[in-house]
Amino acid sequence: KQEVTQIPAALSVPEGENLVLNCSFTDSAIYNLQWFRQDPGKGLTSLLLIQSSQREQTSGRLNASLDKSSGRSTLYIAASQPGDSATYLCAVRPRYSSASKIIFGSGTRLSIRP
Amino acid sequence: EAQVTQNPRYLITVTGKKLTVTCSQNMNHEYMSWYRQDPGLGLRQIYYSMNVEVTDKGDVPEGYKVSRKEKRNFPLILESPSPNQTSLYFCASSPDSYEQYFGPGTRLTVT
Repeated sequence: KQEVTQIPAALSVPEGENLVLNCSFTDSAIYNLQWFRQDPGKGLTSLLLIQSSQREQTSGRLNASLDKSSGRSTLYIAASQPGDSATYLCAVRPRYSSASKIIFGSGTRLSIRP
Repeated sequence: EAQVTQNPRYLITVTGKKLTVTCSQNMNHEYMSWYRQDPGLGLRQIYYSMNVEVTDKGDVPEGYKVSRKEKRNFPLILESPSPNQTSLYFCASSPDSYEQYFGPGTRLTVT
């Protein structure tokens, strides 16, 4: 059974620092991996989607990498800003499943100190 | 604007009173899902649908029903709500293997 883990559960860094969030999954047979951002009490905003054939995706100050063989993905945030404070979730779609079947990690709550 | 909408956004109800949370998407997506989010448990899938009249159970389907009579709508029905169904609920849609789009959430409290 696929399990997705995000460590640490919470992270606090000063503004301006580059940082890395981690996501690991137990079964490398995935179709894609998606990173989301969630602000308190709000919905999920998709940040980046990496298909299983890809190694990384970039959007602005965000870069996500995928290493299927080791079951790991990282989200790199460059030059962090207080507005980046949120919970970041990763989710995988197992390969042998419906497109609607995705499994979430429990998230990393990120706080950027001014 | 491409979006997933949910109604109501907030709902307080009493045990046993049937309720429906609506979900609608305007992107012509085949796939739709319902999730609940609870502290310490993360997001868990309740039901999903692969197309009109095709639905299947997710990880926590007990106490919920869904229907998919039209492609754009995927309502979540609680026939007899109980306090353990107090949660934050999200609807999502996707076009096959591409990214999932989430609605804004419905905060449900059952007393």
